[in-house]
Amino acid sequence: DTGVSQDPRHKITKRGQNVTFRCDPISEHNRLYWYRQTLGQGPEFLTYFQNEAQLEKSRLLSDRFSAERPKGSFSTLEIQRTEQGDSAMYLCASSLTSSYNEQFFGPGTRLTVL
Amino acid sequence: GENVEQHPSTLSVQEGDSAVIKCTYSDSASNYFPWYKQELGKRPQLIIDIRSNVGEKKDQRIAVTLNKTAKHFSLHITETQPEDSAVYFCAARVMEETSGSRLTFGEGTQLTVNP
Repeated sequence: DTGVSQDPRHKITKRGQNVTFRCDPISEHNRLYWYRQTLGQGPEFLTYFQNEAQLEKSRLLSDRFSAERPKGSFSTLEIQRTEQGDSAMYLCASSLTSSYNEQFFGPGTRLTVL
Repeated sequence: GENVEQHPSTLSVQEGDSAVIKCTYSDSASNYFPWYKQELGKRPQLIIDIRSNVGEKKDQRIAVTLNKTAKHFSLHITETQPEDSAVYFCAARVMEETSGSRLTFGEGTQLTVNP
């Protein structure tokens, strides 16, 4: 499978714990995006990387959230001190640099905070 | 920032009928409008997109129209089939040559095609 992959697919954690998700984009894509999707809603933008540089962050990304893309390939999203409101599907997408490029989405990581 | 509104939230049609989903956007700088289909438990997948220099685009049974003046765009599906049943999301984006930018999504439309 040469598409965007995410790991894990499901994560159940207790409130207050830290969690980390991984995204592997399509290999030639240098742009990588993180979105959050709650039930019955469209995806909401969290942050975006071009290569290893984090170029844009949403105000939704509180200081408990941090994302990295150290070598410009895979990315990690960490949530510290999880809260029940963090329960959602976390989607990763990647794209090429050229204009009007399609964002290809991964299957997502479903987070449940108990 | 950009705000995208989508209507209706649910749509039920008979197989073979047409379905229309409408979206409005707020940021006049938005110049790229994709539509994604998301089946239950699966990832969103692009089905069609339109750029702001085009008023209409068609791909087999799917078409999208854009009215820049009114800041609204619509998805049209003709001859609907049960496999068209899914949640459809519209989105808007400001596309720039040297930087990417976020997609702002609508809230989605649950389309059900009854056999």
